[in-house]
Amino acid sequence: EDKVVQSPLSLVVHEGDTVTLNCSYEVTNFRSLLWYKQEKKAPTFLFMLTSSGIEKKSGRLSSILDKKELSSILNITATQTGDSAIYLCAGEAMNRDDKIIFGKGTRLHILP
Amino acid sequence: NAGVTQTPKFRVLKTGQSMTLLCAQDMNHEYMYWYRQDPGMGLRLIHYSVGEGTTAKGEVPDGYNVSRLKKQNFLLGLESAAPSQTSVYFCASSYSTGTSYTFGSGTRLTVV
Repeated sequence: EDKVVQSPLSLVVHEGDTVTLNCSYEVTNFRSLLWYKQEKKAPTFLFMLTSSGIEKKSGRLSSILDKKELSSILNITATQTGDSAIYLCAGEAMNRDDKIIFGKGTRLHILP
Repeated sequence: NAGVTQTPKFRVLKTGQSMTLLCAQDMNHEYMYWYRQDPGMGLRLIHYSVGEGTTAKGEVPDGYNVSRLKKQNFLLGLESAAPSQTSVYFCASSYSTGTSYTFGSGTRLTVV
């Protein structure tokens, strides 16, 4: 059965710290891995990763995929209180009709 | 620039009552999805649709029905609500596979 596992499930750090969130996946006919940020309401898209070893960056956030290890990390540098959220990782399969499988998320809390 | 709109935003039902949740998107997306989100469980797929007039079961379809009579709308029905269906429901849409999802802002449903 396909699955996506995130770790840690919860993380508390101080403002200014750097954090690394982990995601491992077992997805048949894997196509891509996606990261979303969820604050109070809807998840918002962060990154889609399809190629191994190529880092994607957006401001203080970056992510990379390792297809050999079936994993991805999301890094946030110089964290701010506004980074407090649930970060969701999801794996997508290549077949038509296949859905995105979400992990349980990492709840990140940034202390001022 | 509405994106994905869900109605209602909140609802309280009594056990055994029925209701319909509406999801509307204005992005001409082919694919639409209904997820439920429970504490510690991540996002779980209920039903999805790959185009107008089509529907398919996801991971947790029991107790729910869906319809996609128009491309822009995806309805989720609860025929006889149960307390186990207390959850936050998210609708999402995507242009195709291999593209990111756009989420609605969620419906918080409580069944008492």
